[in-house]
Amino acid sequence: DAMVIQNPRYQVTQFGKPVTLSCSQTLNHNVMYWYQQKSSQAPKLLFHYYDKDFNNEADTPDNFQSRRPNTSFCFLDIRSPGLGDAAMYLCATSRDGTGGQPQHFGDGTRLSIL
Amino acid sequence: DQQVKQNSPSLSVQEGRISILNCDYTNSMFDYFLWYKKYPAEGPTFLISISSIKDKNEDGRFTVFLNKSAKHLSLHIVPSQPGDSAVYFCAASVRGAQKLVFGQGTRLTINP
Repeated sequence: DAMVIQNPRYQVTQFGKPVTLSCSQTLNHNVMYWYQQKSSQAPKLLFHYYDKDFNNEADTPDNFQSRRPNTSFCFLDIRSPGLGDAAMYLCATSRDGTGGQPQHFGDGTRLSIL
Repeated sequence: DQQVKQNSPSLSVQEGRISILNCDYTNSMFDYFLWYKKYPAEGPTFLISISSIKDKNEDGRFTVFLNKSAKHLSLHIVPSQPGDSAVYFCAASVRGAQKLVFGQGTRLTINP
């Protein structure tokens, strides 16, 4: 089955220690998204890639960066995690992101900061 | 500035009855509206969508209604089943943009 896979499902890191979350897709979609979701809140878009074009949301902290080395993979790097970065991180894909196309989500990575 | 709002954090419905989940929005540039369903420890899954040029879309037990003048949409589930217990997110897309804006979600519990 074509799908979006996030690894790891759970990640624990220390305050200030860099961490990388990964996402892969077998859907061959052009667009990949990273969302941050905190408890009982709406998923918040951090950034997205259309193919290799990177689109950062205006309010995404500089501490968050992303890489997309090829169509299938996308990474979220948090350079110096703070306690406020503890959240569920969701990766999603879309064929081209327009016309109400649904996004397909992975099961998320829950990040804890010690 | 929350452009998509789901004002009911939770809803409890008896099995077999109708569940109605509501969503309000403020941006008149939204061209599509989508509903997602999320089980614990899983990512959101797409349920149903509606274009802004329509006022109703139906798929089996799920119907979405759009009232553009009120900037309001609702998801009707009938009859409700225990497997429908989940968090439901309303989302909207801006014309020409490649992204969705999500509401905070409503937790639906179907009681036997």
